[in-house]
Amino acid sequence: AQKVTQAQTEISVVEKEDVTLDCVYETRDTTYYLFWYKQPPSGELVFLIRRNSFDEQNEISGRYSWNFQKSTSSFNFTITASQVVDSAVYFCALSDLGSRDTGRRALTFGSGTRLQVQP
Amino acid sequence: GAGVSQSPSNKVTEKGKDVELRCDPISGHTALYWYRQSLGQGLEFLIYFQGNSAPDKSGLPSDRFSAERTGGSVSTLTIQRTQQEDSAVYLCASSYKGQGNTGELFFGEGSRLTVL
Repeated sequence: AQKVTQAQTEISVVEKEDVTLDCVYETRDTTYYLFWYKQPPSGELVFLIRRNSFDEQNEISGRYSWNFQKSTSSFNFTITASQVVDSAVYFCALSDLGSRDTGRRALTFGSGTRLQVQP
Repeated sequence: GAGVSQSPSNKVTEKGKDVELRCDPISGHTALYWYRQSLGQGLEFLIYFQGNSAPDKSGLPSDRFSAERTGGSVSTLTIQRTQQEDSAVYLCASSYKGQGNTGELFFGEGSRLTVL
């Protein structure tokens, strides 16, 4: 069974601080995908990044960076120089390759981390 | 539109009433998912459509919940005889099932259901 743990329920920082959101996952699959989604107050889940299990390279996109470490089953997300607009709930998710029978992607979400960036 | 569209965005109903929630996926997306997000919780899978068929309904919490999809496009989630524990945000997502599909789901803004 798949499991995603986001131990940090809520984080509050002051603007311009760096913040890291932790994500630890469990899966018996050897091939899988990891995602981060952002959920602003509007409610829509906004895709941020996808990483497959064969690619352990860290990725940087502007102020966002992701650290994937297969050895510790972690996929942490860092926001550098946080801004008020970064305030949202962030979800880490794990997906398999899809059921051979149904095609359904089993996408398992963590419980989310609420980030509040104070001005 | 370009994204996944859901309606209504907010629905308040009385216990025992039936409700219908609608999802219009991204054009061309053959896969459609319904999830439920209870207050302060992560997302809970409800049902998956591939085209008009639903090969995985394993997440529907009871027989009061049903969903259909017509024309390989719009989907309706129906909750009969609503209960207070049905109060949640219902999120719809779509994706393209094809070569190179890496499982990225595109989500709508959700329908917030409040059962009084």
